[in-house]
Amino acid sequence: GAVVSQHPSRVICKSGTSVKIECRSLDFQATTMFWYRQFPKQSLMLMATSNEGSKATYEQGVEKDKFLINHASLTLSTLTVTSAHPEDSSFYICSARWSDTEAFFGQGTRLTVV
Amino acid sequence: AQSVTQLDSQVPVFEEAPVELRCNYSSSVSVYLFWYVQYPNQGLQLLLKYLSGSTLVKGINGFEAEFNKSQTSFHLRKPSVHISDTAEYFCAVRFQGGSEKLVFGKGTKLTVNP
Repeated sequence: GAVVSQHPSRVICKSGTSVKIECRSLDFQATTMFWYRQFPKQSLMLMATSNEGSKATYEQGVEKDKFLINHASLTLSTLTVTSAHPEDSSFYICSARWSDTEAFFGQGTRLTVV
Repeated sequence: AQSVTQLDSQVPVFEEAPVELRCNYSSSVSVYLFWYVQYPNQGLQLLLKYLSGSTLVKGINGFEAEFNKSQTSFHLRKPSVHISDTAEYFCAVRFQGGSEKLVFGKGTKLTVNP
């Protein structure tokens, strides 16, 4: 199957700083990428959907200014958590899709804000 | 309303026993159905999917699922589980004609005991 690479797999940052997470489709061009957040022992919550070259569509309740999403190319999307706080600590997962039906997931990023 | 329900949050079984993980959905439109597996601190791996055609779908690692339109179910089965099947399993639905996003169930933790 197609490969989606997410980097870094783990990151620890200080409260008030920003952190960037990258999501790359390695062997296909992703027309659409999705960013999810997963709290411990819970399901995935969709944060936003991004299409290459256009602004991301955020789900209700997700702060656009806090979670900046850029989808500048067909193989790369980034999520930047700005002015991070301990409550932003979570597991973030991206997925990417080129067809109309199936998305492939990255391995996730564990963010810890101290 | 469109929703996905995984009826069991935890399923403990003994090694080599059969297992069924249940998934029901609510929808007034056609659906695409997916089962994903997640190992600790990792992303999601696709087990199998139903898009159209035969209602019995075979996936990786010996898993299979059956789409039952009248009961709006897509239960996951394996005739004989291994210790290595211990993981979190998510049912996901994409509702056709609407947004592009996947809606996930809350997950079922499968624990295979020796």
